[in-house]
Amino acid sequence: QSVLPQPPSASGTPGQSVAVSCSGGSSNIGNGPVTWYQHLPGTAPKLLIYNNYQRPSEVPDRFSGSKSGTSASLTISGLQSEDEADYYCAAWDLDLDDYVFGSGTKVAVL
Amino acid sequence: QVQLVQSGAEVKKPGSSVKVSCKASGGTFSSYTISWVRQAPGQGLEWMGRIIPILGIANYAQKFQGRVTITADKSTSTAYMELSSLRSEDTAVYYCARVREYGDYDLWGQGTLVTVSS
Repeated sequence: QSVLPQPPSASGTPGQSVAVSCSGGSSNIGNGPVTWYQHLPGTAPKLLIYNNYQRPSEVPDRFSGSKSGTSASLTISGLQSEDEADYYCAAWDLDLDDYVFGSGTKVAVL
Repeated sequence: QVQLVQSGAEVKKPGSSVKVSCKASGGTFSSYTISWVRQAPGQGLEWMGRIIPILGIANYAQKFQGRVTITADKSTSTAYMELSSLRSEDTAVYYCARVREYGDYDLWGQGTLVTVSS
């Protein structure tokens, strides 16, 4: 049972928008910044969004993040085939004193 | 451009230990924290612990307390993760990563596959 549950899968056709949710609580998302990672098989995870909504310069602006209360969301606008990957949210959990990852969402481009 | 370079794949027997290294190539750890994350086959990402190399202070995920030891050598900018009492469920790819001010991991090692098999 993940501390940060995410939908196991999401999909869209090229050009569509896809949103991935991440549900937490007051001890994690509600108490600090959320990070999003993209993970392609056989490669290291890649930082996508940090501090809830900020994007590293090398990340395309079709990726955006938001947070409201104890939930966070990643939106991919203008979906492209290379966006097919696993996406994880993450945050520090004050109760566990652990860094917790979401359960992960596999995004498919149909 | 700093890169994190990890040691190579390992095959271990159940009950043994493994020690994976993570070296900052092209730079140093500076004042960054280094964390360790693993991914077992078919599973998600799992945080194991972290260390502040300049202080030598480490803390560990509850799940791995007593079984994992994270250390660092400031002089060579190398961090180590040792996992003991290995079992088949520890078969995974292990990553080191650099932690930034918002707790995000911006730089990752290439990953080290550890296979536990009799």
